[in-house]
Amino acid sequence: DTGVSQDPRHKITKRGQNVTFRCDPISEHNRLYWYRQTLGQGPEFLTYFQNEAQLEKSRLLSDRFSAERPKGSFSTLEIQRTEQGDSAMYLCASSSDFRANTDTQYFGPGTRLTVL
Amino acid sequence: AQTVTQSQPEMSVQEAETVTLSCTYDTSESNYYLFWYKQPPSRQMILVIRQEAYKQQNATENRFSVNFQKAAKSFSLKISDSQLGDTAMYFCAFYNAGNMLTFGGGTRLMVKP
Repeated sequence: DTGVSQDPRHKITKRGQNVTFRCDPISEHNRLYWYRQTLGQGPEFLTYFQNEAQLEKSRLLSDRFSAERPKGSFSTLEIQRTEQGDSAMYLCASSSDFRANTDTQYFGPGTRLTVL
Repeated sequence: AQTVTQSQPEMSVQEAETVTLSCTYDTSESNYYLFWYKQPPSRQMILVIRQEAYKQQNATENRFSVNFQKAAKSFSLKISDSQLGDTAMYFCAFYNAGNMLTFGGGTRLMVKP
C-alpha cells in the first residue's frame, strides 16, 4: 500500500484568504480523519468520515471550516477567511473497517499552514 | 470525554541505554485501545506500538515495549538500546471504537551519542 498523502505540504496565505487542502488515504481505507496540530502540542481531532458520510465534527471546526469526501476516496478541507490563529499543521489519517487492526490510524505528512 | 496526560515534556537518554516515557489517561470506557506514535523532527507521525485494553499481556515491538496498568490507567513506553534515530516527539493516544484519537501533549526525546 502507498501511504496517506497530503497536498500541498506547505501553504502560506494572507489573512482573509481561502485555502483548500487535499488528503488521499491509503487505498481501500474507508475511514478518514482530519486533525490539527499546533507547535509543540499533540494533534486535536477536527472531523471524521466513514466512506462519504461525515460522522463527527469537533467544536474546533468553526463555520469557516468545511470538509468533504465526495466519492468516499480523497477528502478536502477548506478554510474560509483565514485568521492568524488558523496557522497550524493539518494532519490527515485513515483506517479501515475491513483489515486487521481496524482501530489503527495511519497518518500523512501533513500540510503546514502559515497565515500572515 | 477522555483525557491523556504525558507528564514529561522533555527527556534525554544516552545511546544504547533504556528510557521510559510515561502516560496516564482517564476514561469511563471499558473497551479501548492505546497507542504510542513517534513524530521525528519535520517528519510524519509513525505508529510505534498499540495495546488493546482487554489484553492483559503487554505489547512489544522489537526494542519497544509497554507497561499497561489498566486499573491505574497508566500506559508507559520503554525503549531499550536507544538509537539516535529514536530522537523524536512521542505521543500517547487513546481510541475507543468508531471514534477519534485523543492525544497527550507529547514528550520530546533526545538520544545523545
